[in-house]
Amino acid sequence: DIQMTQSPSSLSASVGDRVTITCRASQGIRNDLGWYQQKPGRAPKRLIYAASSLQSGVPSRFSGSGSGTEFTLTISSLQPEDFATYYCLQHNNYPWTFGQGTKVEIK
Amino acid sequence: EVQLVESGGGLVQPGRSLRLSCTASGFTFGDYAMTWFRQAPGKGLEWVGFIRRGGTTEYAASVKGRFTISRDDSKSIAYLQMNSLKTEDTAVYYCTRYMDVWGKGTTVTVSS
Repeated sequence: DIQMTQSPSSLSASVGDRVTITCRASQGIRNDLGWYQQKPGRAPKRLIYAASSLQSGVPSRFSGSGSGTEFTLTISSLQPEDFATYYCLQHNNYPWTFGQGTKVEIK
Repeated sequence: EVQLVESGGGLVQPGRSLRLSCTASGFTFGDYAMTWFRQAPGKGLEWVGFIRRGGTTEYAASVKGRFTISRDDSKSIAYLQMNSLKTEDTAVYYCTRYMDVWGKGTTVTVSS
């Protein structure tokens, strides 16, 4: 199975901060990776697909980069509605696997 | 509007069965693969399985042999048949259109 190591597991940030979350794959997955945002009690929402493509309707302050084994989600200017938990998902190989999640909290 | 609605969750005893449904609307269901994910209370997300447009399937090791995914394109419904349920199957179950659109989820609790 491909292991997705996501870091950090949590972070505290202020509105307006630039935030970066990283996922490392245990083997190369090309760009078969998505990023998801989940708020408490809600279903996840896809933000990024194919590692760097912005999902329709998602604000442009979200961006993704990377290929192979190293991937990054960046929020350029954190907004109040961005406080949530973020997950990466690889779909290059079965079983599909998620990172452990990053909880973004208000500083 | 693209929408997915899961149903069929509830409280069930260990060893029993349950069938979840995922009713789709707002898109041509037969053109898409469908995926099931789950999230145990207070835990992260887990992939359960996947059904392609042609009906072939893939499963996580934790459910293989116990869970079966099927689809009825004429009704725009995907199913998750869960047999021999274990307490560790307790979770919110989500269906998704491939990986993009998610339903709100349905809760399955396996307990005696």
